[in-house]
Amino acid sequence: AQRVTQPEKLLSVFKGAPVELKCNYSYSGSPELFWYVQYSRQRLQLLLRHISRESIKGFTADLNKGETSFHLKKPFAQEEDSAMYYCALWKLGGTSYGKLTFGQGTILTVHP
Amino acid sequence: DTGVSQDPRHKITKRGQNVTFRCDPISEHNRLYWYRQTLGQGPEFLTYFQNEAQLEKSRLLSDRFSAERPKGSFSTLEIQRTEQGDSAMYLCASSEDRLRGGYTFGSGTRLTVV
Repeated sequence: AQRVTQPEKLLSVFKGAPVELKCNYSYSGSPELFWYVQYSRQRLQLLLRHISRESIKGFTADLNKGETSFHLKKPFAQEEDSAMYYCALWKLGGTSYGKLTFGQGTILTVHP
Repeated sequence: DTGVSQDPRHKITKRGQNVTFRCDPISEHNRLYWYRQTLGQGPEFLTYFQNEAQLEKSRLLSDRFSAERPKGSFSTLEIQRTEQGDSAMYLCASSEDRLRGGYTFGSGTRLTVV
């Protein structure tokens, strides 16, 4: 069965420091991975997806199939990055549909 | 179109009562998902609709839970004979076919069973 593990419930860094939020997955198929973010009092929203290979708000994430990881990184954290971050794995349920399986989330706090 | 709307935002009910939640997805989105989230946990999949067809329902979902999407637009999630363990945030999300995994979430309905 597919599983997403985020080993850190809480992560604190100071402004300007690098940050890495860890995500590991288990899945027998070809994985598609995502990061979602929830800022205080806002709804859950998509941050980035690995197939896009994009950088959003300075964040990047690289899929490492050998280590089955999809860690989220930012070289210089900002206070506005403080939020709950969820890693998610897309699983095909049939030929034309699928669903996301979410990790437990990591609360990132960036101190001034 | 203001995104995915969920109603009500909060619901407090007595144990044993039935509750119904509504989700209005983005109009162009044919995929609709329901998730449940408890404190300290990530969203947990409940069920999925493609248009009006319910294509998957979590095995964790008891028979007290039922969901509909009668015309392929809005959806309702009903919980019968609520229990304290049903207390959670219920999230609705929608997406287009081409955006695998790219959900737009609603604000959720927070259910408290007393």
